[in-house]
Amino acid sequence: EAGVTQFPSHSVIEKGQTVTLRCDPISGHDNLYWYRRVMGKEIKFLLHFVKESKQDESGMPNNRFLAERTGGTYSTLKVQPAELEDSGVYFCASSRDASATGELFFGEGSRLTVL
Amino acid sequence: GEDVEQSLFLSVREGDSSVINCTYTDSSSTYLYWYKQEPGAGLQLLTYIFSNMDMKQDQRLTVLLNKKDKHLSLRIADTQTGDSAIYFCADPTYNQGGKLIFGQGTELSVKP
Repeated sequence: EAGVTQFPSHSVIEKGQTVTLRCDPISGHDNLYWYRRVMGKEIKFLLHFVKESKQDESGMPNNRFLAERTGGTYSTLKVQPAELEDSGVYFCASSRDASATGELFFGEGSRLTVL
Repeated sequence: GEDVEQSLFLSVREGDSSVINCTYTDSSSTYLYWYKQEPGAGLQLLTYIFSNMDMKQDQRLTVLLNKKDKHLSLRIADTQTGDSAIYFCADPTYNQGGKLIFGQGTELSVKP
């Protein structure tokens, strides 16, 4: 079974440009999460999809970030326009079950560097 | 809001025991988790403990939970160079398994 895959693994862009990160969850996992780790700090929750619906987007930093999951399969996270403080590693995770016992499966992350 | 705190670095010699500590503020969680991130890889669930337990042992791993002090620790016996990684303590918000509050991560360096 394929794991959670993320693309690109590393993106370097200039301030003001746009970047789109993609996540393919494990097949059959309705729950998809985005997390971010900035500059070696804690990993912070961004949002949670259940199928194609946003269940919780309380962690999204501002309206420069747009997440979509059309059709309830893969998800994209767009940053437009990117700022320096957006640099970090963006992790995607998926799970079959959103309860406290539901194990999260993480992708390897997409490293974003904004210059 | 809820918070999870960890020390940032730990260095041990191969064969020694490693103890990684974590403190948390949310006392309502049913579970607490330890995740491991190896270099260049994603996070992987290492182990977890029910909040009604004081200790859980899984081969070389021992998790200790002190609910009174809101303190969680992960002990790795006979630490190997392959254990070098970043270890994250995580607390599920409102017992939602996927919405985790992570600590900063403890980078474990194992020297031969």
